[in-house]
Amino acid sequence: KQEVTQIPAALSVPEGENLVLNCSFTDSAIYNLQWFRQDPGKGLTSLLLIQSSQREQTSGRLNASLDKSSGRSTLYIAASQPGDSATYLCAVEGTTDSWGKLQFGAGTQVVVTP
Amino acid sequence: DAMVIQNPRYQVTQFGKPVTLSCSQTLNHNVMYWYQQKSSQAPKLLFHYYDKDFNNEADTPDNFQSRRPNTSFCFLDIRSPGLGDTAMYLCATSFRQSREKLFFGSGTQLSVL
Repeated sequence: KQEVTQIPAALSVPEGENLVLNCSFTDSAIYNLQWFRQDPGKGLTSLLLIQSSQREQTSGRLNASLDKSSGRSTLYIAASQPGDSATYLCAVEGTTDSWGKLQFGAGTQVVVTP
Repeated sequence: DAMVIQNPRYQVTQFGKPVTLSCSQTLNHNVMYWYQQKSSQAPKLLFHYYDKDFNNEADTPDNFQSRRPNTSFCFLDIRSPGLGDTAMYLCATSFRQSREKLFFGSGTQLSVL
């Protein structure tokens, strides 16, 4: 059974520092991996999706890498801003008939202090 | 423009009193999902519809049901809510054939008192 872990559970950084968020998964047979942002009491916003054949994806200040063989993904947020404060979740989609069935980590809660 | 809309945003119900949560989408996606997210936990898939085909997860309690009367709407019914059902309920949609990212609604925060 796939398990997704995000460590640390919480992180606080001063504005301007780069953020590094980690995600690990136990079964390397994945179709894709997504990173989501969740603001308090809100739904999920997809940030980046990495297909299993890709090594990384970039969008603005965000960069996500994927090392499928070691079961790891990292989300980098450059030059953090207070508006980046949120919980960041990663999720993997399995192969075979697991389409759309995402296995989530519990998230890393990020606070960026001015 | 909101593409996946959930109503209500907040719902309070009493122990044992049936409740229905609503989700609608304007994306014409053929798959709709319901996830449950308890406080500080990972979202957990309850079930999904692929067109009219209902797919229940093995560990979803019988207390939870779903209806999809048409492509645009999907409902989550909790027949006899317990205190442990207090959670955020997230609706998501996707287009199965493309296997691209899911689109989530803003969620309904359900409190069972």
